[in-house]
Amino acid sequence: EAGVAQSPRYKIIEKRQSVAFWCNPISGHATLYWYQQILGQGPKLLIQFQNNGVVDDSQLPKDRFSAERLKGVDSTLKIQPAKLEDSAVYLCASSLVGTVYEQYFGPGTRLTVT
Amino acid sequence: GENVEQHPSTLSVQEGDSAVIKCTYSDSASNYFPWYKQELGKRPQLIIDIRSNVGEKKDQRIAVTLNKTAKHFSLHITETQPEDSAVYFCAASYNNNDMRFGAGTRLTVKP
Repeated sequence: EAGVAQSPRYKIIEKRQSVAFWCNPISGHATLYWYQQILGQGPKLLIQFQNNGVVDDSQLPKDRFSAERLKGVDSTLKIQPAKLEDSAVYLCASSLVGTVYEQYFGPGTRLTVT
Repeated sequence: GENVEQHPSTLSVQEGDSAVIKCTYSDSASNYFPWYKQELGKRPQLIIDIRSNVGEKKDQRIAVTLNKTAKHFSLHITETQPEDSAVYFCAASYNNNDMRFGAGTRLTVKP
């Protein structure tokens, strides 16, 4: 089965610019997660979707970050405007709904803000 | 919200020795505790997980123990090999929602 797909893999932008990341989860996975992983730290959950509804966005900096999953499949995460401290790897993960909890991670997008 | 602390931050062992990584969590409602392995520049991969209705789970050289009363859980790797070298993350959640990760442990297995 195909894994979680993300694009782009790398992105370099200047501060105050905007950027968007795309994620395609594993087919049939209703739950989708976006994580931010700063170098040397564990992943931090930004937002969790179940189908096209938001389950948790308590750690999403809503003044600059937004995410959507309009049709319950693909998702985009946007940062506008970017700050230096947003430099990180943005990981997308997906999982089934039910009693199988394993989250499968995509390869991530490495963002550098200069 | 949940807070997960992980120790040690770095661990160096000799090949063949055992390695133990410990995590504590704050939310007594948490009931799902996975462990992820992340090699340099790669994605995190689940290596073992445990739910709050059991105290221990084992898979070949890897085991996880959970103490709900003390709110801590541990990863045990026996007969370590150089390919076990990586960063290991613990995490805690309620039914896989609002997953919170520890800061990670960099394990080095010296041949």
